[in-house]
This record gives sequence, C-alpha cells and structure tokens, in this order.
Amino acid sequence: DGGITQSPKYLFRKEGQNVTLSCEQNLNHDAMYWYRQDPGQGLRLIYYSQIVNDFQKGDIAEGYSVSREKKESFPLTVTSAQKNPTAFYLCASSPTGTEDTDTQYFGPGTRLTVL
Amino acid sequence: QKEVEQNSGPLSVPEGAIASLNCTYSDRGSQSFFWYRQYSGKSPELIMFIYSNGDKEDGRFTAQLNKASQYVSLLIRDSQPSDSATYLCAVNMFQFGNDMRFGAGTRLTVKP
Repeated sequence: DGGITQSPKYLFRKEGQNVTLSCEQNLNHDAMYWYRQDPGQGLRLIYYSQIVNDFQKGDIAEGYSVSREKKESFPLTVTSAQKNPTAFYLCASSPTGTEDTDTQYFGPGTRLTVL
Repeated sequence: QKEVEQNSGPLSVPEGAIASLNCTYSDRGSQSFFWYRQYSGKSPELIMFIYSNGDKEDGRFTAQLNKASQYVSLLIRDSQPSDSATYLCAVNMFQFGNDMRFGAGTRLTVKP
C-alpha cells in the first residue's frame, strides 16, 4: 500500500530535550512538508523540501530542524530552543507532473506533549 | 486580514440536508483550492481540489469556485452523521510550486 507513515503516534518530551519525529512516504512524491496544528488554528508550515538535499524554512521554523537525505524520508527534530512544542505535527507530501500536482496528502500525525 | 478565512462554526444540519461550507481568501492570484476533512484527533484527508471557476462534483460533494469574488465553497448533499468533522479550506498561492495556506476550519455536525 502506498502512503505516508509517521512515528511515533504519541511522543512525550522533557524540558531541554531534543526529539525527532519520523516521516516516510512510498508515493514517489518529490515534495514533503511539516506542519504544526494547535487547537482552533489552521496548519502552520514549519519546513518544506522540494527535492533531496534541499529544504526551505516555513513560517515557524525557529526551534526546528530537518534533513532530506532520501526522497522517501523527511525527519523533523524539535529542539530545546522551541519554547512551546506541545502540538499535533503533520507531515505531508505532494506529487509533481500529475493531475493532482501540488496536492498535499497527509500522514497520520504525531502528537507531541512536553512534560 | 487572514489569508484564508472560514467560519469556525459549529455548523449543524439535520441528516439528509445539504451542508454548505464557505471560504474566502485574500490573494487574488491564488491558483488552486482544496477541501480537506479532519475527524477529531486525526489528520486531514483530501476531499477534492478545484482549479477553475465553476462547479466540480464528486459523489455527494460539490466544490464551487468564484475567483472574482475570491470565494470557494463546499456543498455536501444528503449529509450523514459520518460527515461530522472539521472541514479545512486550503489555497495554493502559486500555479507551480507550493505555497499552501490553510483556514482554521469549520466544524460540521450532522444530527440524526
């Protein structure tokens, strides 16, 4: 089955810890994205990557880092510099050159809670 | 002004009725428009996308786009209790490349 997987589903972080959220896709999509969702708010873009070994900051990149070493994988690290990391994190990917070009498809999400 | 605006709701309709969800956007040059459904605690799932002015139908769902009025809507015919969810409107500012902006969503409740 083609799709996007995220792990873990739930993650608890202590103050001062860095944590890494995994995102993998087997859809052969070029572009991948990380969003953060807080209650009552729209999705906010953290980082995105259009091709391997390249990524761009979104609207709220401070306190986060990413890598794109493989087309299939786009992990997000939430660093201790992110002061309010408790949120629902969503990874998405989108195709190019197809009827649904630039349509974003989402993984199941990771819910991060700071203890 | 928010880039993509939706009425937060809740919008309540009886089972079998038509639910109408509305979205306005600020960037007149926006190129593509998307509706997602999000159940509580779950990730958004794509309902449909629309690029051109007019209507686009997919089963019980119809998206309507009016670029002159900067307005996109989603109609759900024969609403079912399983349609109860939050509906997110998303607008891509570019024709190529991706600068997607999401509304905060409208919560829909379909009452049996």
